[in-house]
Formats: sequence, structure tokens, C-alpha cells
Amino acid sequence: KAGVTQTPRYLIKTRGQQVTLSCSPISGHRSVSWYQQTPGQGLQFLFEYFSETQRNKGNFPGRFSGRQFSNSRSEMNVSTLELGDSALYLCASSLISYNEQFFGPGTRLTVL
Amino acid sequence: GESVGLHLPTLSVQEGDNSIINCAYSNSASDYFIWYKQESGKGPQFIIDIRSNMDKRQGQRVTVLLNKTVKHLSLQIAATQPGDSAVYFCAENEAGNQFYFGTGTSLTVIP
Repeated sequence: KAGVTQTPRYLIKTRGQQVTLSCSPISGHRSVSWYQQTPGQGLQFLFEYFSETQRNKGNFPGRFSGRQFSNSRSEMNVSTLELGDSALYLCASSLISYNEQFFGPGTRLTVL
Repeated sequence: GESVGLHLPTLSVQEGDNSIINCAYSNSASDYFIWYKQESGKGPQFIIDIRSNMDKRQGQRVTVLLNKTVKHLSLQIAATQPGDSAVYFCAENEAGNQFYFGTGTSLTVIP
């Protein structure tokens, strides 16, 4: 069974731009969570989607948004990028919410 | 104010020795826990999980111990190998809520 895939793996953007990251969960998994990982803050929860509905949201500004499609694939969008948004963005999927969560390889975003 | 980077605890062990990595969690209502391994440049890898109705669970070369009284979780790795070198962190969850992750421990295996 294929694991969680994330695209793109690497991204370089400039301040003020916006970016969309994609995540394909493990087949059959309906829950997708997004995290930001930085050396300064560790792993921080962004939001979780289950059956196309956002169930939980972390403490991030409204510039961070996401959505989930009927096939459980998910995207997250960051608008008006700031230097501090440079991070590894990780997607994790699970069969049901918050249970045996498996991570993808991440998207490394660099904001210049 | 000035941001301070996370200072990861470090653990160095000789190849073949057993490793014990500890994690103190914060929420006494947490009822589900996962240990993850993260190698440089990769996403976290699921190692083993445990629910609060258990105090011990074993996998292949790994054992997780849960002490709910003192809110403490540990991961024991038997016969540690160079490939075990990575950052290990625990995650806690209270049913229906988000996972909270520890800061991690950097394990270095000395050949």
C-alpha cells in the first residue's frame, strides 16, 4: 500500500506570494492533518480534515487555509507569504481522526 | 521578543546497547500516544503506539512504557543499531482533539 505523498517536495517563494501544497493520503484514509515543523517551534498543528470537513484548527493566522476533496486528497494554501513561513510542511493521514497517524515526506518551503 | 530555538535532548549509545528515550506529557486526559522516528530530511515515521488502558506494549525491538500516574512515556530500543540514529518524539492525544508533539530527543548510535 502506497504511503502518504506530498507535492512538491521543495518550493522557493518570495515574500508576498502565495503557495499551494498537496497531500494524497494512504488509500482508504479519510483524515488528513497538516503540520508545520520548524527548528524553533517543533511540530505545530495547522488543521485536520475528515470527509471534506475541517474538524480542528491550530493557532495559525487566517493566511493558512486548507481543503479536502471527495477522494480525501487535501491541499493547504498560504497567502501573503512571510519569511517566518519557511518550514517543513507535513501532512499526516489516518483511517479515522487522530488514530495511527502516518506522515508524508513533507514539503520544504523556503520564503526569500 | 527574541525567538529561542528548541534545544533537543541528546542521547548517545554504543551499537548493540539498549536505548531508553523518555517523554513527559502534559495532559492527564490524554488517552492515546505514538512514538515517531524522524531521520534528517524525512517525515516522521510511525514506530509504535499505546492506549491509556495499557502500560506496556512491545513491537519489533521496541517497547513503549506508559506511566499515567506521573504522565511519563518511554521508548526502549533493544540492541540499538546505527540505523536507529534519528530524532525521536512522542505525540499525545485526547480523543477527538489534535495531537501534541514533544520536542524530541536526538539519538546517536556510536559504531
